Amino acid sequence: DGGITQSPKYLFRKEGQNVTLSCEQNLNHDAMYWYRQDPGQGLRLIYYSQIVNDFQKGDIAEGYSVSREKKESFPLTVTSAQKNPTAFYLCASNEGRGNTIYFGEGSWLTVV
Amino acid sequence: AQSVTQLGSHVSVSEGALVLLRCNYSSSVPPYLFWYVQYPNKGLQLLLKYTSAATLVKGINGFEAEFKKSETSFHLTKPSAHMSDAAEYFCAVSVGGNNNDMRFGAGTRLTVKP
Repeated sequence: DGGITQSPKYLFRKEGQNVTLSCEQNLNHDAMYWYRQDPGQGLRLIYYSQIVNDFQKGDIAEGYSVSREKKESFPLTVTSAQKNPTAFYLCASNEGRGNTIYFGEGSWLTVV
Repeated sequence: AQSVTQLGSHVSVSEGALVLLRCNYSSSVPPYLFWYVQYPNKGLQLLLKYTSAATLVKGINGFEAEFKKSETSFHLTKPSAHMSDAAEYFCAVSVGGNNNDMRFGAGTRLTVKP
């Protein structure tokens, strides 16, 4: 089945550690996105990529980094510079402008 | 910049009753509008979208929404609530189909009482 796979589903991070969330899609979509979801705040865009080897900052990119070396993969690294990383992270993709965005099932990150 | 406001963070209805979830948008150019549904610990699923065609948009699971430019609204309705409709609903807006600029509302949690 085609879709977006995020892993791990649950991740715990110690203070000062970097962690990487995986996002893989087999939909052959050009564009991929990372969102952060906090209770009562909806979704906020962290980074997006419209094509391989290119990505752009979203509204809340500070403390995060991404790469897009392959069309199907868009991993997100939450660095120690992110002051409040505990949240639900959603990866998404679409074919491009004007087309429906499809979401993965999300990853919970908790700082301990 | 475009934005959406969802009125009511929690809505509770009885099974079989009308569902009405409110969304108002702000945009300086004709918007694309979306409603998404999210079940616990899951990603978002598209219910329906408005892209400047028919103002009454029908979606999945019996939901529909009407674009009213004069009221800058895009309210989501369903004539008869089902227990399985209990979830969180998000309204979103983008400009010219540019998903990089998509803005989401804070969400409305729908509870359905038996």
